[in-house]
Amino acid sequence: KAGVTQTPRYLIKTRGQQVTLSCSPISGHRSVSWYQQTPGQGLQFLFEYFSETQRNKGNFPGRFSGRQFSNSRSEMNVSTLELGDSALYLCASSLAGVAAGELFFGEGSRLTVL
Amino acid sequence: AQSVAQPEDQVKVAEGNPLTVKCTYSVSGNPYLFWYVQYPNRGLQFLLKYITGDNLVKGSYGFEAEFNKSQTSFHLKKPSALVSDSALYFCAVRVPGQDNAGNMLTFGGGTRLMVKP
Repeated sequence: KAGVTQTPRYLIKTRGQQVTLSCSPISGHRSVSWYQQTPGQGLQFLFEYFSETQRNKGNFPGRFSGRQFSNSRSEMNVSTLELGDSALYLCASSLAGVAAGELFFGEGSRLTVL
Repeated sequence: AQSVAQPEDQVKVAEGNPLTVKCTYSVSGNPYLFWYVQYPNRGLQFLLKYITGDNLVKGSYGFEAEFNKSQTSFHLKKPSALVSDSALYFCAVRVPGQDNAGNMLTFGGGTRLMVKP
C-alpha cells in the first residue's frame, strides 16, 4: 500500500510569492491534516480536511489556506510568503473513527523563503 | 486549552540500557495520548496510543508507554535501547468528545534520543 505522498519535496521561494503544496493520502483515508514544523515553534496544526470540508483550523493567518478534492487529495497554499514561513510542511492522512489520531505522515515539503 | 510538555530536549542512553522519554499533558477531559517518532529528513511515524483501559500500552519496535492520570504523564519506555532507536520523539494529545476534534493533535516540543554503542 502506497504511503502519503507529498510534492514537491523541496522548494525555494522569495518573499511575496505564493506556493502550493500537494498531498496524496493513503488509499481509503478520507482525513488529511497539515502541520508546520519549525525549529522554533515545533509542530503546529494548520488544518484538517475530511470529505472535502475543512473540519478544523489552527491558529494561522488567512494567508494559509487549503482544500481537498473528491479523491481525498489535498493542497495547501501560502500566499504573500514571509521569511518566517520557511518550514517543513507535513501532510498526514488518517482513517476516521476509533483510529482517529493515528496519523500517517508524508516525508514533507521543505519550503525555504528568501 | 490543551498542552503537552516534554521536559527533556535530549536523552542519552547506552545501547542495551533501558530508556525513558518523559511527557506530561494538560487537558480538560479525558485525553487520547500518542507517541510519534521522526527519523532524519522523514515524516513522523506512529508508535503507540492510549485511549482507555490498561495504563501500560505496547507499541511498535518494542516501545511501551505508561499512562498515569494522577501525574498527568505518559512516559515512553523501552527495556533495552538500540542504536537504531536514535531519533526525535514526539508526544501528542487529542481531546475526544468534541464532535469536531477530528485529527487535530497538539504536539510536545520533541525529545532527541541518542543511543550510544
